[in-house]
Amino acid sequence: SQTIHQWPATLVQPVGSPLSLECTVEGTSNPNLYWYRQAAGRGLQLLFYSVGIGQISSEVPQNLSASRPQDRQFILSSKKLLLSDSGFYLCAWKGRGARNNSPLHFGNGTRLTVT
Amino acid sequence: SQQGEEDPQALSIQEGENATMNCSYKTSINNLQWYRQNSGRGLVHLILIRSNEREKHSGRLRVTLDTSKKSSSLLITASRAADTASYFCATDAGNYGQNFVFGPGTRLSVLP
Repeated sequence: SQTIHQWPATLVQPVGSPLSLECTVEGTSNPNLYWYRQAAGRGLQLLFYSVGIGQISSEVPQNLSASRPQDRQFILSSKKLLLSDSGFYLCAWKGRGARNNSPLHFGNGTRLTVT
Repeated sequence: SQQGEEDPQALSIQEGENATMNCSYKTSINNLQWYRQNSGRGLVHLILIRSNEREKHSGRLRVTLDTSKKSSSLLITASRAADTASYFCATDAGNYGQNFVFGPGTRLSVLP
């Protein structure tokens, strides 16, 4: 069965420090991968998605970047965190193929607090 | 801009009652999906309805889709305290589902 791992679960970082959040997927190959951010009590904002190794699409300009060094690994990074980067970050995957109608599968999220 | 918008933003009901949440969207879609999120956790997929479907059931869940009105509803029947969570609709409009657009969600509280 497929599983998604996202870590760490919580993170407190000072302003100006770097960030690296990692997400890995098991039990599937060539998935679409996604990073979302969720502000408190709000919906999800898509940050990045990837349809293959080294292929990253950004949905919003920001202080963050993403990389996909391996098929089932997706990394969210920042060189210098801002206070506004605080939030709940969610990684998700979706099966590929010609059929559109498949859901997103989410990790348990990382609560990032920038102080 | 947000594609999906849930209504109401918050809903509080007694155990055993039915809960209805609505979602409106703006553009053509391939499908619409409903997700549930317990506090501080990731989202869990509940049900998907294709654009050519009008109603779908899964256990105590019933989803309807009206593409002419660009709206969907999620009905949870005989609610339980364990149904307390936030519920999100998401529209899939991209090629091969490259991205989804989520609404801000409905916070459901089921009181015992």
